[in-house]
Amino acid sequence: DGGITQSPKYLFRKEGQNVTLSCEQNLNHDAMYWYRQDPGQGLRLIYYSQIVNDFQKGDIAEGYSVSREKKESFPLTVTSAQKNPTAFYLCASSGTGTPGTGELFFGEGSRLTVL
Amino acid sequence: DAKTTQPPSMDCAEGRAANLPCNHSTISGNEYVYWYRQIHSQGPQYIIHGLKNNETNEMASLIITEDRKSSTLILPHATLRDTAVYYCIVRVGNQFYFGTGTSLTVIP
Repeated sequence: DGGITQSPKYLFRKEGQNVTLSCEQNLNHDAMYWYRQDPGQGLRLIYYSQIVNDFQKGDIAEGYSVSREKKESFPLTVTSAQKNPTAFYLCASSGTGTPGTGELFFGEGSRLTVL
Repeated sequence: DAKTTQPPSMDCAEGRAANLPCNHSTISGNEYVYWYRQIHSQGPQYIIHGLKNNETNEMASLIITEDRKSSTLILPHATLRDTAVYYCIVRVGNQFYFGTGTSLTVIP
């Protein structure tokens, strides 16, 4: 079945460590996104990519990095520079055809806890 | 800047219609309104989207005012499984702007 796979589902890290969250999609979508969600809050955009080898910062990109070497993959690295990394991270993808067509498809999320 | 404003919470009796409002007063003419819902600790699920006209699918109806400054998501016969956080989103190009959502509780 087509969809978006995020891994790991749960992740623990010590302060000062970098960690990479995986996101893979087999929907043949051009655009991919990373969102962060904190308890009781909405989704905030970290980074997005509309095409391979290109990506743009979202509203809260500081302390994060991404790469888009393949259409199917958009990994997110949470670096030690991110001061408050404990959160629920959601990856999504969408088609980039006619504006308004093609909804955003989400993975099931990765919950990162810094110990 | 928040592009959408929603009430933080609402209750609805099981079997009744749930009407969830959203204000998007700064929306531009070619920007779509999308609705998603999220059940705790899962990825958000697409419900419906529209531009100007009212839309209906198997899940819900979307009513957009003529001036496009607000919209209402209607779940015609709410069930307990509809308890979730509902997000009203404005799509600008290929960016989706989420608000803080409405937590809907369906009461037996």
